[in-house]
Amino acid sequence: EPEVTQTPSHQVTQMGQEVILRCVPISNHLYFYWYRQILGQKVEFLVSFYNNEISEKSEIFDDQFSVERPDGSNFTLKIRSTKLEDSAMYFCASSGGDGTEAFFGQGTRLTVV
Amino acid sequence: RKEVEQDPGPFNVPEGATVAFNCTYSNSASQSFFWYRQDCRKEPKLLMSVYSSGNEDGRFTAQLNRASQYISLLIRDSKLSDSATYLCVVNNQAGTALIFGKGTTLSVSS
Repeated sequence: EPEVTQTPSHQVTQMGQEVILRCVPISNHLYFYWYRQILGQKVEFLVSFYNNEISEKSEIFDDQFSVERPDGSNFTLKIRSTKLEDSAMYFCASSGGDGTEAFFGQGTRLTVV
Repeated sequence: RKEVEQDPGPFNVPEGATVAFNCTYSNSASQSFFWYRQDCRKEPKLLMSVYSSGNEDGRFTAQLNRASQYISLLIRDSKLSDSATYLCVVNNQAGTALIFGKGTTLSVSS
């Protein structure tokens, strides 16, 4: 069964450092998403991406965040200068159509110290 | 009003019980509705899509009431393995994002 894969599963970084979280969406999917979940809180939308551009972004997705699809398979989330409050689980997801169900990767747990 | 609201629970039920979860959403233009399941520290997994006519998948039944902007999930004959957090998910007006509720926690005991 096709799945979304994310690397690394866990990343520890120092405050102020840049991190790149990587995702390989399901191969025939066209819509890609990043979500985050702070421990004990709800899953929050960050950004959606279609046709090589951002379709939607939330208030959380400020200038410190960026996304890229550097090649035909990877989808990355970069946090330029991490803050303590960026510590969370980051989930990548993909879907085959606009507004259709999304399938999630297993997540990257980011810990900022 | 929050975009997607759910009763957080927890719902503690014995095996074999029937349990119902409710969800309301604020955006009347939403077109897609889902229930996801999330186990502790794991990713959300699609449980089922929710259609206007209502739909059933084994022990799970989902209903949608567009007029009331209300979605429900019914689980019959609960199993221990049903213990998880159930997330109500609705798409935004533009259809470019799925918005999650906080989830309802279910604990099934023997």
